[in-house]
Amino acid sequence: SQQGEEDPQALSIQEGENATMNCSYKTSINNLQWYRQNSGRGLVHLILIRSNEREKHSGRLRVTLDTSKKSSSLLITASRAADTASYFCATYGNNRLAFGKGNQVVVIP
Amino acid sequence: EAGVTQFPSHSVIEKGQTVTLRCDPISGHDNLYWYRRVMGKEIKFLLHFVKESKQDESGMPNNRFLAERTGGTYSTLKVQPAELEDSGVYFCASSQLLAGGEQFFGPGTRLTVL
Repeated sequence: SQQGEEDPQALSIQEGENATMNCSYKTSINNLQWYRQNSGRGLVHLILIRSNEREKHSGRLRVTLDTSKKSSSLLITASRAADTASYFCATYGNNRLAFGKGNQVVVIP
Repeated sequence: EAGVTQFPSHSVIEKGQTVTLRCDPISGHDNLYWYRRVMGKEIKFLLHFVKESKQDESGMPNNRFLAERTGGTYSTLKVQPAELEDSGVYFCASSQLLAGGEQFFGPGTRLTVL
């Protein structure tokens, strides 16, 4: 099955610092997506990177994809307290998403 | 535009009882998905509807779970009878038919089976 595995599991940083999370998966994919979940809320789609793309930017987010290593990274630059959340990578294939366990990111004001 | 809504937000039931969860997708979204996150585990796919048809229910854990999407609008997920291991957060998501994978999630229903 396609499953993302994020690393590290928990990250605590100061406001203004950058946060980097990694994700690995096991099989071929159509695309890889990152989602954020704030406490008690649903998952919010952040960014999608297709299998033929290597890097993508969206605002303060930068995602990379290395299909040869079956890995992806999400970088949040100039973090804010509002970025405190759980972040999940998910691989898309066979019309479904396969999620990793998630990273808990805490941004200290 | 309203997002995906789910009802109830929380449900606490006893083992052996029945619970029905409801999901209202974004209007016009043909794809509807159910996912579940059990405590400490990753979010797992349960099933996928395209309009009123079940496209893939390979993630459904067993026959105690029944999902429907009558008329291709809202969907229900019934658990009967509920067991302790069914506790978790049930998410619903929807997407346009050719959205390429981006899914819009509801806030989830937290189910606790005692």
